[in-house]
Amino acid sequence: DSGVTQTPKHLITATGQRVTLRCSPRSGDLSVYWYQQSLDQGLQFLIQYYNGEERAKGNILERFSAQQFPDLHSELNLSSLELGDSALYFCASGGGLLGPQHFGDGTRLSIL
Amino acid sequence: TQLLEQSPQFLSIQEGENLTVYCNSSSVFSSLQWYRQEPGEGPVLLVTVVTGGEVKKLKRLTFQFGDARKDSSLHITAAQPGDTGLYLCAAGGAGSYQLTFGKGTKLSVIP
Repeated sequence: DSGVTQTPKHLITATGQRVTLRCSPRSGDLSVYWYQQSLDQGLQFLIQYYNGEERAKGNILERFSAQQFPDLHSELNLSSLELGDSALYFCASGGGLLGPQHFGDGTRLSIL
Repeated sequence: TQLLEQSPQFLSIQEGENLTVYCNSSSVFSSLQWYRQEPGEGPVLLVTVVTGGEVKKLKRLTFQFGDARKDSSLHITAAQPGDTGLYLCAAGGAGSYQLTFGKGTKLSVIP
C-alpha cells in the first residue's frame, strides 16, 4: 500500500463529457503529480502541484486542469472528452530531487 | 525533453533464467530511477542511481548506471514468476522534480 488514494477506480463516460479524478497524497507529502498512461505513449507527466501551487507542467492538454486544495488532496478535471483520452490516470506524491514518487493505483478512464 | 528508450519492449523467459533490460538516452541524466508496475497497480520504486558507474544490488536485481550517465541496465538473476511486471526507467533533469519515463519492458516469467 503506497498510501496514495485515487478515486474512482474506474470511470466510463461518453465523448464530450467532463469528469473529475481525485487523489489523496501520502500523509506528510506536499507534492502531487499527475500522469497519463496509455499503451502507445507510456507514462506521461501531466502536472505537478506543491503545497497548493502549480510547480511544473508537462504534456497536459488545455482541456485538462488540476488543482490542489488546502488539505493537500488534488483533483484532475478532464473536459470535452475525446476517445483518445481513454487511459489510466495516475497520481503520485512525494518525490523531491532524488526521492521516490509514491503512486496510487490509478483511475481507468474509458470513453465510449 | 529527455527521451528514454527501453529495450526490449517485451521479454518472456522461463523461471530460473537470467535477463538484462536496458534504458538509453542521448541526454545526460542527473539521476535515474527504476520502477516496477504490476497489473492494476501503480509503479513502485526499486532503486535510484545518481553517480556514473554506480552499481546497486537489490537481492537478485543488479542495477548499473553508465559512466556517462546516459544509460542504465537492470539485470535479474534466476528470474522468478514474482518478477513478472512492467519495468520502467525514469530520469530527472538537473534541478528538476519532473520525471520522464521510458515506455517500459514488459517481463513475463513462466513457471
